[in-house]
Amino acid sequence: DVKVTQSSRYLVKRTGEKVFLECVQDMDHENMFWYRQDPGLGLRLIYFSYDVKMKEKGDIPEGYSVSREKKERFSLILESASTNQTSMYLCASGRIYGYTFGSGTRLTVV
Amino acid sequence: KQEVTQIPAALSVPEGENLVLNCSFTDSAIYNLQWFRQDPGKGLTSLLLIQSSQREQTSGRLNASLDKSSGRSTLYIAASQPGDSATYLCAVRASAGANNLFFGTGTRLTVIP
Repeated sequence: DVKVTQSSRYLVKRTGEKVFLECVQDMDHENMFWYRQDPGLGLRLIYFSYDVKMKEKGDIPEGYSVSREKKERFSLILESASTNQTSMYLCASGRIYGYTFGSGTRLTVV
Repeated sequence: KQEVTQIPAALSVPEGENLVLNCSFTDSAIYNLQWFRQDPGKGLTSLLLIQSSQREQTSGRLNASLDKSSGRSTLYIAASQPGDSATYLCAVRASAGANNLFFGTGTRLTVIP
C-alpha cells in the first residue's frame, strides 16, 4: 500500500524558532506538495515540487521555504515561526491519476 | 481561477439512510476529480477518482458521478453507517500537466446511530 509519512503528528514551537516539517513517500512520485488547512479556508497550497531540487510557489508561500534533495523526501521550513502559522500541515504526493496524503502535522506556534 | 464549492457545509442523517454530497466547480475544463475523506485531526484518504472522460466510479457503498458540462459531481453513500461520519472533500485537477488540485471546503457528515 502506498504511503506518505509525515514525521510528526503534533508540534509546539515558540515564535521565532526555525521549524522543519518532514515528509517521505515510498511511491517514487515526481510530484510532492505542502498544503495548510485552516477552518473556513480549506486547503491552500504552499509549495510543490515536480522533481529533485525543483520547487514552485503555491498560493501562500510567504514565510515558508522548501527543500527536496531526494525524490522521496520533501521538507517544509518555517524560517521564523509566527503565531499565524499555527495550522494543520498536509503533505501529498502523486501523479496524474491521483494524490495520496499524509496524516498531517498539527503545528502550534506559541 | 477554478473555484470549487461544496454545499451543504454540514449534514446529519440517521443511520441507514442513503445520501448525496454535492460538489460544483466553475471551470468545466478539468482533467479529473477526486473525492477524499478526512477524519477529525487526520489527513486525507482518497475515496474515488473520476477521469474527465468517465461518468461515474464505484467503490463498495460509494458511487461518484461527474457531469463535466454542468460543473458538478456527486458522491452517493448507500446505507450510511456511523463510521461514515467524517468530512468529505472534492478536488479537481485542471489538466494532465497541472500540478495543483483545487479543493472545496468540504461537507461534514454526521451519521446518527
